[in-house]
Amino acid sequence: GAVVSQHPSRVICKSGTSVKIECRSLDFQATTMFWYRQFPKQSLMLMATSNEGSKATYEQGVEKDKFLINHASLTLSTLTVTSAHPEDSSFYICSADPGQGFYTEAFFGQGTRLTVV
Amino acid sequence: LAKTTQPISMDSYEGQEVNITCSHNNIATNDYITWYQQFPSQGPRFIIQGYKTKVTNEVASLFIPADRKSSTLSLPRVSLSDTAVYYCLVGPRDSGTYKYIFGTGTRLKVLA
Repeated sequence: GAVVSQHPSRVICKSGTSVKIECRSLDFQATTMFWYRQFPKQSLMLMATSNEGSKATYEQGVEKDKFLINHASLTLSTLTVTSAHPEDSSFYICSADPGQGFYTEAFFGQGTRLTVV
Repeated sequence: LAKTTQPISMDSYEGQEVNITCSHNNIATNDYITWYQQFPSQGPRFIIQGYKTKVTNEVASLFIPADRKSSTLSLPRVSLSDTAVYYCLVGPRDSGTYKYIFGTGTRLKVLA
């Protein structure tokens, strides 16, 4: 299947700082990418839909000013957690839609473990 | 987007066949059923997808009855490495609409 890569896989940051997480589709172009958050022992929660060249669409309850999403190219979307606090510590996962063609399912990155201290 | 309901957890023994059923009573005509597997601290991995009847690949089978209100993922002869969370997702297969809403998933534990 297609490959979606996230970077970094783990990050520890101090409270009040910002952290950027990258999501790349390595062998296909993705006009749409999705960002999820997952707390321990819980399911994935959709945070936002990232559209190339336009503003992201956030799910209800997700602060757009805190979770900045930029989808500057067809292979890269970034999620920036601004002014991070310990409660933002979580596992962040992106997925990319390969669009019409050979693949008929979404592909997920390996996830980024964020720890805010 | 259709809501899905799955058992929270299941236990099985190595070598057994495991069947995980998912209910999706409000599935739409253009919705497909997709199953993903997730190991701890990893992103979900695609297992199988289907629309109706039966689909089989090298790792699993997917059974979908005629009314499509449920589906069953069948894992033949599970091993310890199949211990994971399995998610049933329902949605259209059009471009840009893999906006999956994850349910609770089924936590499968395979015992020796």
